[in-house]
Amino acid sequence: TQLLEQSPQFLSIQEGENLTVYCNSSSVFSSLQWYRQEPGEGPVLLVTVVTGGEVKKLKRLTFQFGDARKDSSLHITAAQPGDTGLYLCAGAHYGGATNKLIFGTGTLLAVQP
Amino acid sequence: NAGVTQTPKFQVLKTGQSMTLQCAQDMNHEYMSWYRQDPGMGLRLIHYSVGAGITDQGEVPNGYNVSRSTTEDFPLRLLSAAPSQTSVYFCASSLWTGGTDTQYFGPGTRLTVL
Repeated sequence: TQLLEQSPQFLSIQEGENLTVYCNSSSVFSSLQWYRQEPGEGPVLLVTVVTGGEVKKLKRLTFQFGDARKDSSLHITAAQPGDTGLYLCAGAHYGGATNKLIFGTGTLLAVQP
Repeated sequence: NAGVTQTPKFQVLKTGQSMTLQCAQDMNHEYMSWYRQDPGMGLRLIHYSVGAGITDQGEVPNGYNVSRSTTEDFPLRLLSAAPSQTSVYFCASSLWTGGTDTQYFGPGTRLTVL
């Protein structure tokens, strides 16, 4: 059972455009992480959010954790070809003592020059 | 500092064969895990370990075995390979188990079962 749904599944945009990726669940998470994965490599952590309503910025990337800690979004401003990759959200279950991360279905982003 | 290493990088098996995917980390991390990645499915947790001698099942454990005799190594065994196990397998490690720590992933093993 997939608990974390990401949308859109695929996104192809031109350099300079803005975009938002969504990560939604019916479950509450104690924390949520966003990873980026490039072809042939393992995922690499971008950010961790832990507080409902929290907003974190990483250069042109803005991450938000929903107030109810069931959803998150990733907004990229003025996308660049270097942003191309698979974006994965991952939630840790509320109150869990072990690090059982549940990963989302992924959003494949292609930024055309 | 090599981080998380996985071998082999590619493997082709016939149905019914067994094999072991190797994973090692040199960061002294207590927590290690195995995921499989299939198109449109993200990463699914197979097995994980919170320390040497302690393992537990994830979302999709059937057909796989693990053991953790040392902090550094966490091998994944396929008992009798099936075509449904064709996938990319990732090993990951982190310092703690609180859900907020960085998961460090290996480069993956691409497995095809014919």
